[in-house]
Amino acid sequence: EVQLVESGGGLVQPGRSLRLSCAASGFNFDDYAMHWVRQAPGKGLEWVSGISWNSGSIGYADSVKGRFTISRDNAKNSLYLQMNSLRAEDTAFYYCAKGKYQLLHYYFDYWGQGTLVTVSS
Amino acid sequence: NFMLTQPHSVSESPGKTVIISCTRSSGSIASDYVQWYQQRPGSAPTTLIYEDNQRPSGVPDRFSGSIDSSSNSASLTISGLRTEDEADYYCQSYERSNSWVFGGGTTLTVL
Repeated sequence: EVQLVESGGGLVQPGRSLRLSCAASGFNFDDYAMHWVRQAPGKGLEWVSGISWNSGSIGYADSVKGRFTISRDNAKNSLYLQMNSLRAEDTAFYYCAKGKYQLLHYYFDYWGQGTLVTVSS
Repeated sequence: NFMLTQPHSVSESPGKTVIISCTRSSGSIASDYVQWYQQRPGSAPTTLIYEDNQRPSGVPDRFSGSIDSSSNSASLTISGLRTEDEADYYCQSYERSNSWVFGGGTTLTVL
């Protein structure tokens, strides 16, 4: 059974940093692209970032480019999102999602339950 | 960059059929596959339709997807509506240059 478990969320002040993690199990993690998708409270889904199976291709939404960094450790079956210079508008649930295949342009077939990031002073 | 526009909300009675549209603002709707995700209240999204009209195993055939090049839109059709279908529905498509676009989401009320 595919499981994606996010962690690392919490309350952080504007301008500070936070690192999210996603622990994957139930599939060969290093064979698939992975993504982060966020959802502000009461709002819609927004794709944040994605990384291919071997980290060779990476993409970011314009809203986070230059502030967020996605990475993965295939030996640890883990996906990460380093979030710097956080803003109030980054407040959201952050979901980890598995890509269907190795590259970024295939759809998402499994989602984690999300971790809440609140940016506030 | 393109946008995907969905109606904010739709409502229909149990047993009826509802269609949710997703209109692409620029570029052809057929140029990249469209997915649909369902998000029930308080839960994470799940994949409902992928590659325009494919259903993952476990998704009932009451759910179907299609695209229409003439209107440059995709549609999610739900037939035989049940109260458990009340949820938010999001369309999604790939934006070349390693990024993805979601529609704004449609809230389905079954009343």
